[in-house]
This record gives sequence, C-alpha cells and structure tokens, in this order.
Amino acid sequence: KAGVTQTPRYLIKTRGQQVTLSCSPISGHRSVSWYQQTPGQGLQFLFEYFSETQRNKGNFPGRFSGRQFSNSRSEMNVSTLELGDSALYLCASSGTNGRNSPLHFGNGTRLTVT
Amino acid sequence: AQSVSQHNHHVILSEAASLELGCNYSYGGTVNLFWYVQYPGQHLQLLLKYFSGDPLVKGIKGFEAEFIKSKFSFNLRKPSVQWSDTAEYFCAVNAHGGGSQGNLIFGKGTKLSVKP
Repeated sequence: KAGVTQTPRYLIKTRGQQVTLSCSPISGHRSVSWYQQTPGQGLQFLFEYFSETQRNKGNFPGRFSGRQFSNSRSEMNVSTLELGDSALYLCASSGTNGRNSPLHFGNGTRLTVT
Repeated sequence: AQSVSQHNHHVILSEAASLELGCNYSYGGTVNLFWYVQYPGQHLQLLLKYFSGDPLVKGIKGFEAEFIKSKFSFNLRKPSVQWSDTAEYFCAVNAHGGGSQGNLIFGKGTKLSVKP
C-alpha cells in the first residue's frame, strides 16, 4: 500500500504570495489532518477533514484554509504569506475504525517564505 | 488551553541503558494518549497508544508507557535501548477523547541519541 504522499516536497515563496499544498492519503483512508511543524512551536494541529467536511480546526488565522475532495485527497492553502509561515507542513491520514485507525504521516512539504 | 509537556529536550544514553521519557498533559477530561517516533530521515509513526483499560500499554520495539491519571502523565519507557532507537519522540493527546485521532496536541519532542 502506498503511503501518504505530499507534494511538492519543497517550496520557496515570497512574503505576500499564496501557496497550495497537496496531500494524497493512503488508499481507503477518509480522514486527513494537517499539522505545522516549526523548531519553536513544534507540531501544531491545523485542521482535520473527513468525507469532504472539516471536522476540527486548530488555532490558526483565517489565512490558513483547506479542503478535501471526494477522492479524499486534500489541499491546504495559505494566503498572504508571512515569514513566520516558514515550516514543515505535515499531512496525515487515518481510516474509519476509530481507536484502531492511527495517523499515518507523510514526509511533509518544507515551505520557506523569504 | 490544553497542552503537552515533554521534560527533556535531548537525552543521550549508552546502549543497554534504561530509558524513561517524561510526558505531562493538561486536560481534566477524557483523553487518548499517544507516543509517536520519528527516526532520522523517516516520517512520524505511531509507537503506542492508550485509550482505556490497562494503564500500562505496550508498543512496538519493546517500548511501553504508563498512564497515571492522578499525575496527568504518560511516560515512555524501555528497559534497554539500542543504537537503532536514536530518534525524536513525541507525546500527543487527543483532548476530546473521541474516536478520531486526527486532532492531536503534540509535545515539542525529545531527541534521543544512543551511543553504541
């Protein structure tokens, strides 16, 4: 089974621009979560989607948004980029079996904002 | 707000030494608890989890963790570490206590270096 795939692996953007990151979950997984990882703040939850609906949302400004498609693939968008948005963005997917469905993480997209 | 504290930023041990990594969380309700591990160059993966029942849970590669509700703790232990255990370890909490594992609150991680 292929793992969680995130594209692109690396991105360099300029302050004020917007960016879209993509995540393909493991086949059959309907839940997708996004996390931001930085050296200072560690791993912080952004949002979780299940069957195209946002199920939970972390404490991030409205510039961070996401969506999930009918095939469970997910995208997250960051508008009006700030230097502080430089981070590793991780996507994770899980199945529908509750406690028996752990998160499977991708390798992340490294975003650098200059 | 809910939070997770990992007491050690970096732990250095020799092979065969015993390991205990501390984790405390701040949330008074029902919690699900997790330890994730990230080996060098690899993605995060689940080491073990606690939902309910026996507070001593066993995970992969000989790791175990004990949930002590009165101390809001979920410390990770291994009796004898190996060089291959060198990795970064993350404690996490699902503060809603529900079945979904998607919205986790992570600690900042502990880097473990095991000297051969």
